[in-house]
Amino acid sequence: DTAVSQTPKYLVTQMGNDKSIKCEQNLGHDTMYWYKQDSKKFLKIMFSYNNKELIINETVPNRFSPKSPDKAHLNLHINSLELGDSAVYFCASSQGGQGGNQPQHFGDGTRLSIL
Amino acid sequence: AQSVAQPEDQVNVAEGNPLTVKCTYSVSGNPYLFWYVQYPNRGLQFLLKYITGDNLVKGSYGFEAEFNKSQTSFHLKKPSALVSDSALYFCAVSPPQAGTALIFGKGTTLSVSS
Repeated sequence: DTAVSQTPKYLVTQMGNDKSIKCEQNLGHDTMYWYKQDSKKFLKIMFSYNNKELIINETVPNRFSPKSPDKAHLNLHINSLELGDSAVYFCASSQGGQGGNQPQHFGDGTRLSIL
Repeated sequence: AQSVAQPEDQVNVAEGNPLTVKCTYSVSGNPYLFWYVQYPNRGLQFLLKYITGDNLVKGSYGFEAEFNKSQTSFHLKKPSALVSDSALYFCAVSPPQAGTALIFGKGTTLSVSS
């Protein structure tokens, strides 16, 4: 069973389009995250939700909007895609939220390419 | 600013030799420390963590890490490297303040030759 699953795995689209990435976890965790990994493999936190409440919202353009319909799901919608949005986006989950000692479990990523 | 440093972009070792991947951090308080591994086209996988207690922690796949408070370091080690250990390794620090984000190092590529 996949613990953290993201769809789609690959996303190729034109500049200016709007797209969504979905994430689901079946671990019963209460906290979920979105990360962006750039071409140099550097990881940056974008958002964190705990029990559907937004906890962390790093300096991310407001074209990016997370939505958490329930504890097991955290989706990411991106408006007006730009070339610089090309990256791998990872969803993760953990129990206990940020500042805690529980490890995060990652999905396999969504590879977003903007043409 | 709080930060995590992995001073080596790449570490090369021969199979069977011991390996060390270095990590130092600059975080206030007593943070929790983690190592993750990333294989190509995969997400990060948790290897081990330090919370408190014994400075040597053991984790998955024969890896261990040594915590040194005075040097604020948390180096990853393995006594005998395998070719299959070749991957990208991330050190991460969780500041003790609630609501703060996990801070990742920039990653170190480990290459084990046969």
